[in-house]
Formats: sequence, structure tokens, C-alpha cells
Amino acid sequence: LAKTTQPISMDSYEGQEVNITCSHNNIATNDYITWYQQFPSQGPRFIIQGYKTKVTNEVASLFIPADRKSSTLSLPRVSLSDTAVYYCLVGDIRVTGGFKTIFGAGTRLFVKA
Amino acid sequence: DADVTQTPRNRITKTGKRIMLECSQTKGHDRMYWYRQDPGLGLRLIYYSFDVKDINKGEISDGYSVSRQAQAKFSLSLESAIPNQTALYFCATSDSTNYGYTFGSGTRLTVV
Repeated sequence: LAKTTQPISMDSYEGQEVNITCSHNNIATNDYITWYQQFPSQGPRFIIQGYKTKVTNEVASLFIPADRKSSTLSLPRVSLSDTAVYYCLVGDIRVTGGFKTIFGAGTRLFVKA
Repeated sequence: DADVTQTPRNRITKTGKRIMLECSQTKGHDRMYWYRQDPGLGLRLIYYSFDVKDINKGEISDGYSVSRQAQAKFSLSLESAIPNQTALYFCATSDSTNYGYTFGSGTRLTVV
């Protein structure tokens, strides 16, 4: 199981770009990297997923270096509503056993006005 | 309607009581999961089911049981609730073709 390490918390201001880095040194060849966002009293919500290089969608970008031992979630121009906990998961839940991806404590992002 | 619906949203129960948390989904996913979240911590897997006839323990299954009544329904039971089972419980679904979980809104359970 690929364990992940993320900062416990981060602060930012509205309009800034926020980058959250996740370390996953023992990532396996078949593992994907997935990020989730969780607001208080709600279930986590899928944000973005990637395998290598860069992935971008309407919400965020995900940067993955060639060695895949880390990944960086980039949130452009954050707003107050981006205040949430962000989780990095490594694994492949499509296959048997991939379900064991571990949700750690995540990174608590606080966006200030 | 939500893709994954959990009931109840909030519940207060007494120590020793049996309680059931229910989850239903309209995603058509074959895999369903129950997670527990404690304040300041991540989510820990309690039980999971890959189809109606498949039930598996997660990392913290002691004190819990589950039932997969249909592809769309997966319930979690606490046979004899204890205070340290006070937590936020989430149901999630997935299938073999996508990369992400779909979570319900959670059930906040308090055992007094």
C-alpha cells in the first residue's frame, strides 16, 4: 500500500494560487494518484486524477514528476469557498485490492479574505 | 436526488442499543464501502462489498456488521453501540471502470 504524506494545514488569501504537495515514495507501477476535497459535514468529493505528467480540469491541475514519488495539486485563484480538507490517495480502485487506498488526515486549507 | 443517500443524517443513541445506518445509491456501481471519520482524522475503512454476495472486513470492523440487501443498498449495523463509536460515517461507491469514489453526505452518530 502506498502511504502518502501531506502538510497538515495551509493558509492562503483569496485570488492566490495554492499548491499542495503529496509525497508517495513507494507508489506502485499501476497506481493512480487521486485528490479529493471535503467540506465540513460532507463526504469527500473527487477533484482530479492522474498517472504521470500534468492533468488539468475545470477545478484544478495535477502535476506529477517523472519518478511519480510526489504530486502537486494546484488550485488557481482560490476563493473563500475553497476552504476545505484535501486528500491525496494513491492506488487503483478499479482493480481488486485497490480499494485499500488509505485516506490520511489530509491537508486543511484555509482561505482568508 | 443524491447519487448516494445515507439515512439518518444524524442520530443519537444510548450505549448498548442496536442501530442501523442505511445507504442506497443510484450510480449503478457494484462496489460499496463504509468508512468512519473521527475529528481531525482521515477516513478508515470498516467494511466493503464488491457485489451482492461479497462482504469483506476493512481495517476497523470489530463491533460492526453489514448487509448488502441489493446492488443498490448497503447497511451498517452496530450491534451494541459504545461511546467510542461516536463518529461521522460515510458510505461510498465505485465500479471497475472509474478511478474515484462517490461518497454520501454522511451520518453523524453520537453514542451516549
